[in-house]
Amino acid sequence: QSVLTQPPSVSAAPGQKVTISCSGSSSNIGNNYVSWYQQFPGTAPKLLIYDNNKRPSGIPDRFSGSKSGTSATLGITGLQTGDEADYYCGTWDSSLSAGVFGGGTKLTVL
Amino acid sequence: EVQVLESGGGLVQPGGSLRLSCVASGFTFSSDAMSWVRQAPGKGLEWVSVISRSGGSTYYVDSVKGRFTISRDNSKNTLYLQMNSLRAEDTAVYYCAKGEMGVRIIGYYYYYMDVWGKGTTVTVSS
Repeated sequence: QSVLTQPPSVSAAPGQKVTISCSGSSSNIGNNYVSWYQQFPGTAPKLLIYDNNKRPSGIPDRFSGSKSGTSATLGITGLQTGDEADYYCGTWDSSLSAGVFGGGTKLTVL
Repeated sequence: EVQVLESGGGLVQPGGSLRLSCVASGFTFSSDAMSWVRQAPGKGLEWVSVISRSGGSTYYVDSVKGRFTISRDNSKNTLYLQMNSLRAEDTAVYYCAKGEMGVRIIGYYYYYMDVWGKGTTVTVSS
């Protein structure tokens, strides 16, 4: 049971937009910054978004992040088959004094 | 090139010990917090531990407290994870990651991992 809650899967057609939600509480998302990671099977995770909505160098602007209250959202526009991967949200939990991840969301581009 | 490389994984019996290492290159190691994240077979990411730049602050997930110890040697650009009293449920790929952590606004923490290693596999089984 993950501290952060994500939908197990989402899907959309190529070229469309998809959003992935991440729900938490006041001790984590509500009062701390959120990051998002992309992971392809058999490979290491990759940072997509940090500080709720900032993209590291090299991450295309098709990827965006937002936060409202105790929830965060990852948006991906112009979907490509190469975007099929698992996506994880993460943050710091001030009550646990620990890092926490969501359970992950598998994106399928139909 | 900024990179981190893990080593030290392997097969160990329940109750045994293992020490993972992570060698960093391409960046100023002492300027970054360093973390361990694991992923059990077919499961999601699980945060394990983080150590501050100086090594003065360490944090752990509850399930490893008292069994795992994170440490770093900034003179050797190396991060460690000493794992004792290993259990079957510790079986996973262990990733080392560099990142940032701190406070931007009073009480608001930022924490993310921007460079990840390829991982090292730990299997706990008799």
